[in-house]
Amino acid sequence: AQSVTQLDSHVSVSEGTPVLLRCNYSSSYSPSLFWYVQHPNKGLQLLLKYTSAATLVKGINGFEAEFKKSETSFHLTKPSAHMSDAAEYFCVVGPMWGSARQLTFGSGTQLTVLP
Amino acid sequence: EAGVTQFPSHSVIEKGQTVTLRCDPISGHDNLYWYRRVMGKEIKFLLHFVKESKQDESGMPNNRFLAERTGGTYSTLKVQPAELEDSGVYFCASSHGEPPGLAGRDTQYFGPGTRLTVL
Repeated sequence: AQSVTQLDSHVSVSEGTPVLLRCNYSSSYSPSLFWYVQHPNKGLQLLLKYTSAATLVKGINGFEAEFKKSETSFHLTKPSAHMSDAAEYFCVVGPMWGSARQLTFGSGTQLTVLP
Repeated sequence: EAGVTQFPSHSVIEKGQTVTLRCDPISGHDNLYWYRRVMGKEIKFLLHFVKESKQDESGMPNNRFLAERTGGTYSTLKVQPAELEDSGVYFCASSHGEPPGLAGRDTQYFGPGTRLTVL
């Protein structure tokens, strides 16, 4: 069984300041982990993914996330927020092995970027 | 390369009616998935096709939902009869398909979703 907890439903930051979106996961086996983003009226876009290579994963648009097994965390960060980063972000856990491919989503974090 | 497309983008129907949602995966992707997000809830898995076969339908809520993927290309999801609690956004995703030992590399690419409103 696997689950994901996004610790903040809403995060507000000022443009140019750092972004931190928190995610904790639970899995009975080594997971694959993803962050997806959904901009208004758009589909879900993959930001980055962890699949057991480097624990620090770099994604698109300057985002990165660090897999910390001891803390069961996969927090998403960005050094400097842009207005275009305003969106809803989903932390997602999936299988690392096997035929099952269902993804388990967190409840989402709405990021607001203030001018 | 075209992404995953879904039709319609919005659908408003009355309780008891039938609605059919369509998904066209990325060309060459054998794996196709349906997910949905009902109001205020997480995005939940519904089912997974490998080509035309249902690999996993553990997330289908009840027998009012019927998914098909004839010929292993596009897929349809029919809701009959629709109930109020079926309102939400239905997402389709596709992936190339990796062997079981490399499941973690099998990235799912999502479409824009169909927003279904049942009145």
